[in-house]
Amino acid sequence: DSGVTQTPKHLITATGQRVTLRCSPRSGDLSVYWYQQSLDQGLQFLIQYYNGEERAKGNILERFSAQQFPDLHSELNLSSLELGDSALYFCASSQQNTEAFFGQGTRLTVV
Amino acid sequence: GIQVEQSPPDLILQEGANSTLRCNFSDSVNNLQWFHQNPWGQLINLFYIPSGTKQNGRLSATTVATERYSLLYISSSQTTDSGVYFCAVESGGYNKLIFGAGTRLAVHP
Repeated sequence: DSGVTQTPKHLITATGQRVTLRCSPRSGDLSVYWYQQSLDQGLQFLIQYYNGEERAKGNILERFSAQQFPDLHSELNLSSLELGDSALYFCASSQQNTEAFFGQGTRLTVV
Repeated sequence: GIQVEQSPPDLILQEGANSTLRCNFSDSVNNLQWFHQNPWGQLINLFYIPSGTKQNGRLSATTVATERYSLLYISSSQTTDSGVYFCAVESGGYNKLIFGAGTRLAVHP
């Protein structure tokens, strides 16, 4: 158990819908990262938050947004979903510039 | 941006065999991690190794930062070692990881 908790584990939704993925980081970790793993793109960095502030952005679509709350949990919001958004979404956490630990992932299926 | 290449892409072993997985990267790195993704999709931390050598049971890893590569050694492989092994590096700050494409390992009894 990495200590990073993601919910839900599985999500099936229709095209055009909006979903929210939730992540609780390891105790004491201020940094939260979101990654997407798809068959064609591999594991890609989406966005990072540090203590509530956005720190870095990767290949995150404009339809996607994230935030980190005062209690340090984070949510990734995916809207206007397309078939191609089907993927495994990971959250990771770390202390500043150290080893990152990953949650179990949320498997999103868009039908 | 930094490029991460892993080899071989696929590896099939008999139980008990040894193997070496390689990760090459195109620029200097602040952080390098090895992960094992099991058949259930979970990403398990193996090593945090920006430089030097570490060992954990049957697994060991070496990173030669000056030559921009890292090696993961698996000895006496077991069927539970099957899965995909990823190398991920961080370069340029903020600890965002850039992943290689992975090495898919199958260990047969």
